[in-house]
This record gives sequence, structure tokens and C-alpha cells, in this order.
Amino acid sequence: DTGVSQNPRHKITKRGQNVTFRCDPISEHNRLYWYRQTLGQGPEFLTYFQNEAQLEKSRLLSDRFSAERPKGSFSTLEIQRTEQGDSAMYLCASSLARKGGADTQYFGPGTRLTVL
Amino acid sequence: AQSVTQLDSQVPVFEEAPVELRCNYSSSVSVYLFWYVQYPNQGLQLLLKYLSGSTLVKGINGFEAEFNKSQTSFHLRKPSVHISDTAEYFCAVAVDSGAGSYQLTFGKGTKLSVIP
Repeated sequence: DTGVSQNPRHKITKRGQNVTFRCDPISEHNRLYWYRQTLGQGPEFLTYFQNEAQLEKSRLLSDRFSAERPKGSFSTLEIQRTEQGDSAMYLCASSLARKGGADTQYFGPGTRLTVL
Repeated sequence: AQSVTQLDSQVPVFEEAPVELRCNYSSSVSVYLFWYVQYPNQGLQLLLKYLSGSTLVKGINGFEAEFNKSQTSFHLRKPSVHISDTAEYFCAVAVDSGAGSYQLTFGKGTKLSVIP
């Protein structure tokens, strides 16, 4: 079990460019979450997948953001036309659904995005 | 809606001294509570969790926390801290969103600095 992995770890881009991040969850975990963490804050929920279905999206997820989880395995988060306000750490977490209660989410190392 | 308040943004403590990091939550439904630790430029590592059962929860690295429903608190404690405990600690609450997910709502974090 290698844990949750995320690539790239760091991304520097210019305003207006598109970026894509990848998350590989723990194998056999059927749930996958994306969070965003800005400086001095706790992570904030962005979106959630159960297998390949995207079941929930935060209002933070503007129409410039899109996430996919083809075949219920890895996931990608794309940001189009990046803005300086998108600069943040993007965290992915995976979990195994648990009957009758909350699952335990395990986080990856994150992708730090800097928009110049 | 649920929220989490971490009452101290920074806590300095001498090595081998005890420490308590405070966390209060608000929610009108059943909650599940977590503490995560984040080292610089890394993702979040699960310290401990309360899902049900005993209100005193033991985690990794000698940490423990007590769920107090009447005071809506979930304070984190360690009887003797080590230099390696220097990190940022996040309290989080999970509730059923109604869409099948248990997205986490985080506090703003407490930076623990252990002084040699």
C-alpha cells in the first residue's frame, strides 16, 4: 500500500494558462475527495467522487474547474484560465465507504500551485 | 451547517511538557471528529478519529483526544511533547452531506512549536 500520490508536487504557471493535476488514490478505495488549502487556512472541500461518479461539488468550484475520475481509479483536476486567486495547495484524499457512518480520509502530499 | 473553531492559532511549549490543543465544533446532527497533522509543505496525516464508542480516543505518536458532546469539544492532548511534534494541527468534523459523502470541514489550524 503506497498511499495517495499526487503529481506534480509543484506547478508554477502564468495567469490565463490551463493546468491539470493528477491524484492516484489508495487502491480499492472507492471514494475520492479534492480540497483546496490557501495560506493560513484549513483545507476546504471542492468535490467528491464515489467510484467514477462525481456526486458533489462545492460552490468554490467555479466553471473554470473540472474534475474527472475515469473508471473509478485516478482522478484529474483541471483549472482553465488560471487566476492569481487560484494559487493554493490542492489536496486529494481517498477513503473506503463505511456502512452507517463517516469514512476515514487519507490525504496525499498535495500539489502546490503558484499563478504568476 | 457545521463549523470548527480552533481557539489557539499558535501554541509554544517546552520539550517534555504537556500540551492541549483546543477544538470546538457546531453541528445540529451526529458528527464524526478527526485530528490531522501537517508538516511543512506536506499533506495531512491522520492522528486520530472519533466515529463512535468510547469518548477517549488514542492516536499515533502518543496523542489522545476526548469527545465531549455537552461541551461540543474534541481537545487534543499529549502528556510530553517532543521536538518532532512541531507542526500544524487541524481539527475536522464530518457530517453526512446527504449526497453520500462525508466531506470534512476543517478548523483554521493550530501551529505547535516545541521549544528545546
